[in-house]
Amino acid sequence: AQKVTQAQTEISVVEKEDVTLDCVYETRDTTYYLFWYKQPPSGELVFLIRRNSFDEQNEISGRYSWNFQKSTSSFNFTITASQVVDSAVYFCALVNFGNEKLTFGTGTRLTIIP
Amino acid sequence: GAVVSQHPSRVICKSGTSVKIECRSLDFQATTMFWYRQFPKQSLMLMATSNEGSKATYEQGVEKDKFLINHASLTLSTLTVTSAHPEDSSFYICSAISANYGYTFGSGTRLTVV
Repeated sequence: AQKVTQAQTEISVVEKEDVTLDCVYETRDTTYYLFWYKQPPSGELVFLIRRNSFDEQNEISGRYSWNFQKSTSSFNFTITASQVVDSAVYFCALVNFGNEKLTFGTGTRLTIIP
Repeated sequence: GAVVSQHPSRVICKSGTSVKIECRSLDFQATTMFWYRQFPKQSLMLMATSNEGSKATYEQGVEKDKFLINHASLTLSTLTVTSAHPEDSSFYICSAISANYGYTFGSGTRLTVV
C-alpha cells in the first residue's frame, strides 16, 4: 500500500519570504509518479507538477521549485518570494505505475501574510 | 489542455431528496473517471472509480446504493446522492485521466443538505 505524509498542517509566512512544503511518501513499487496540486479557496484542484520515479532531477518553474530525493522518499516543494496569491491548500499525491488511483496527502494550508 | 466540467458548483437540497452531479470531459474521452469527497479542512478521499460501460468500483466503506454512479458515455459520469441527509454535506470532486495530461479535476460541487 502507498502512503503520503504532509506533516505540516498549516504554515504562515510573511509575503516575499521563501517557504518549503514537505512531502514524504511510502510505496513498495519502484515505478511511480508524484504530484503536487494547489487548491485555492474556490475549491478546484490546480495541477502543479508530475514527476516519475526515475527522474530525480530537481525542477524549477518560475518561483516554484521541487526537490525529489528517492533516498529519503521526499518530494518537497519550495515557493520563493511568496505572494498573497499563493495562499491555498497544497496537496502532494502518489500513484503507482499500473494503478490509476491517486493517494493524496492530508494537505498543507499555506497562508501568505501581506 | 484537458478540461473537465463539473455541475452544479453548488447545490442545496432538502433532507431525503436526491441530487445528481455531472462530470464531463470536454475535449477528450475518459474511459475512467474518479469521484472524491472532501470534508472541510481534510484531504480528498476516493469514493469510487467510474468505468465507462460497466459498474463503478467503490472504495471500502462507501455505500454504493447511496452514491449511485453512472458512466454511460466516454465523456460523462454522474454521481447521484440518494436520499441525502445532512451528514452527506460535503465537497465532491471528479477527475478523469487523459493520455496527454494525466489527471484532470473538475471544479467541484459543494453539497449542502438541510
